[in-house]
Amino acid sequence: GDSVTQMEGPVTLSEEAFLTINCTYTATGYPSLFWYVQYPGEGLQLLLKATKADDKGSNKGFEATYRKETTSFHLEKGSVQVSDSAVYFCALSALNDYKLSFGAGTTVTVRA
Amino acid sequence: GAGVSQSPSNKVTEKGKDVELRCDPISGHTALYWYRQSLGQGLEFLIYFQGNSAPDKSGLPSDRFSAERTGGSVSTLTIQRTQQEDSAVYLCASSSDREDTGELFFGEGSRLTVL
Repeated sequence: GDSVTQMEGPVTLSEEAFLTINCTYTATGYPSLFWYVQYPGEGLQLLLKATKADDKGSNKGFEATYRKETTSFHLEKGSVQVSDSAVYFCALSALNDYKLSFGAGTTVTVRA
Repeated sequence: GAGVSQSPSNKVTEKGKDVELRCDPISGHTALYWYRQSLGQGLEFLIYFQGNSAPDKSGLPSDRFSAERTGGSVSTLTIQRTQQEDSAVYLCASSSDREDTGELFFGEGSRLTVL
């Protein structure tokens, strides 16, 4: 079945460091891909998305590019802030499916 | 309200008791989902509602789990005869239209602890 595998955490960084969280997927056809973020004490919220190959999703300084050839959707940010400390989830929605399949989540802590 | 509301936020119960978890989705959202988040695990899909119907219950882990939705709005997830392995955060999400990008709006979850 469709699934998402993402880099295990936890990840601890210093402010202004570069962040990459790897995500690869297995799916039939061409799914839509998402990154959700869960800040402490809050519900999950959509960070960015891409619906077709080579699309780049971006938001709040984060970017991820839909790579069909490597079945990947890695999340990157060039200079993290303490406020980026959160749990990040990669997810996919298969074509003609109504639900999202999520990865296990990666906990990121940014220290001042 | 402005977002998805879940109650209770925390529930501690004894093994064997029944529990009910409530979800109030964003007004007007026709789709409603329940997920479970266990420690160190990803989000596990439980059930999907479109209106008051549940076309996909495939994620419910056993017949002790059931859910209903009334008036196309509030949903209740019921766990009967709770077991320790049911301890998790139960997340509810809603969305407006399956055609629209697949974005789900999540509540903050109900943390269930079974002693």
